[in-house]
Amino acid sequence: DARVTQTPRHKVTEMGQEVTMRCQPILGHNTVFWYRQTMMQGLELLAYFRNRAPLDDSGMPKDRFSAEMPDATLATLKIQPSEPRDSAVYFCASGLGVQGRDGQPQHFGDGTRLSIL
Amino acid sequence: EDQVTQSPEALRLQEGESSSLNCSYTVSGLRGLFWYRQDPGKGPEFLFTLYSAGEEKEKERLKATLTKKESFLHITAPKPEDSATYLCAVQATGYQKVTFGTGTKLQVIP
Repeated sequence: DARVTQTPRHKVTEMGQEVTMRCQPILGHNTVFWYRQTMMQGLELLAYFRNRAPLDDSGMPKDRFSAEMPDATLATLKIQPSEPRDSAVYFCASGLGVQGRDGQPQHFGDGTRLSIL
Repeated sequence: EDQVTQSPEALRLQEGESSSLNCSYTVSGLRGLFWYRQDPGKGPEFLFTLYSAGEEKEKERLKATLTKKESFLHITAPKPEDSATYLCAVQATGYQKVTFGTGTKLQVIP
């Protein structure tokens, strides 16, 4: 089965450091989503792309977070500078977003567990 | 704003004891309602999509149903391997964004 691949799986770093998380979506999927999951908030949507163009990043703190898709096989989420409150599991998901068609499910990677000390 | 509320937050069942999980939703127009299963340390795994009221989907011991206001995930004769957190999510018509509930953590005791 095709899967979404996320790297790294775990990241521990000190406050103020830059963090980059990477995602390889399933080949052929044209939408990519970034989520953050915490015990308190559950899954929160940070940003999503369709055909590599950002459609909505209203869930992200703009001053420190950025999301890009340099090509169809790579999505990145960066935090600079990182803060302890950014500690969470970050998930990438991909799907087929086709205008006018019924909802298509998203397929998730296994996440990056981020700890900011 | 789309909203999804799942209940109960946690459920403990004996092996073989059937039960149902609830997902209540508010959405301007439903494009799809999704059920996912999440195991510890893993990403959510897709189970079902439901599109319209009255629709039902089944997979092994799981059956998902949909009304205009809620969805149920029925678990028949559960086994310990069914232990996981079950997430419900909705997608509104015209949008790609999906809104997730906070999940029901299911524990099945042998």
